Amino acid sequence: GESVGLHLPTLSVQEGDNSIINCAYSNSASDYFIWYKQESGKGPQFIIDIRSNMDKRQGQRVTVLLNKTVKHLSLQIAATQPGDSAVYFCAENISGGTSYGKLTFGQGTILTVHP
Amino acid sequence: DADVTQTPRNRITKTGKRIMLECSQTKGHDRMYWYRQDPGLGLRLIYYSFDVKDINKGEISDGYSVSRQAQAKFSLSLESAIPNQTALYFCAVIRQGANTEAFFGQGTRLTVV
Repeated sequence: GESVGLHLPTLSVQEGDNSIINCAYSNSASDYFIWYKQESGKGPQFIIDIRSNMDKRQGQRVTVLLNKTVKHLSLQIAATQPGDSAVYFCAENISGGTSYGKLTFGQGTILTVHP
Repeated sequence: DADVTQTPRNRITKTGKRIMLECSQTKGHDRMYWYRQDPGLGLRLIYYSFDVKDINKGEISDGYSVSRQAQAKFSLSLESAIPNQTALYFCAVIRQGANTEAFFGQGTRLTVV
C-alpha cells in the first residue's frame, strides 16, 4: 500500500547555529552507541561512535554525549551547514550476552538547515 | 566502486512470489546486517551474521530468510512476498573495534503488489 507521511521528530535551524539532536535508548545493557546520518535516497552514513565507558567524544564538528543514568544520547553539530540536512539515527549495541552485536536503531530525527 | 553493493536497487514483485535481495562487500569485514526501513519507524533489524554460515535473528525476522555462504555476500530472501513487506531494505557491513567502520549499501526499494 501507499506509505503514510513521516512522523519523525524534526529540528529546524539556521545555517551557522549549533544543532543538538537527542536520542533515548532502551536497553540499559547497551554499551556501544553510534550516530548515523541518512541523506535522501542514500543509505545511512557513520558519523561517530561512543562506548559506555565514556561520557563524551568529539569528532570533526560533531560531539556525542552519553548519559547512562537516564539512557540518553545526544549529537551536537557545530556551525550547522545546509549539507547537514538529513535524517539522523542513533543506534545501540550490546557487546556481550545473547544480544551480542545486535545493532538496534532509534526512530530518527529530521534536521533541516535553512540558509 | 561502492564498498557495499545491493542488487537490485528497485524491484516490483507480485504477492506470493519469491524474491532474493543480494548484498556484497569489498571491505573484508565479518559482520553483515539486513535492515528494513519504513516511514516513521527508522531501521529495524531483520537478520545479522558474524561469519560465514552464522545467522542470527533480528527484531522482525518472520517472513524472511538469509544466507551467508561467503564472507563477502549476504542475501535476504522473501519466500512468499506480501504487500506489507513493501519497504526500503538496507544491507550494512560493520567492523567494531578501536576504529569502527560501518558502511551501508544504497538500499533496495521493494514494492509488493
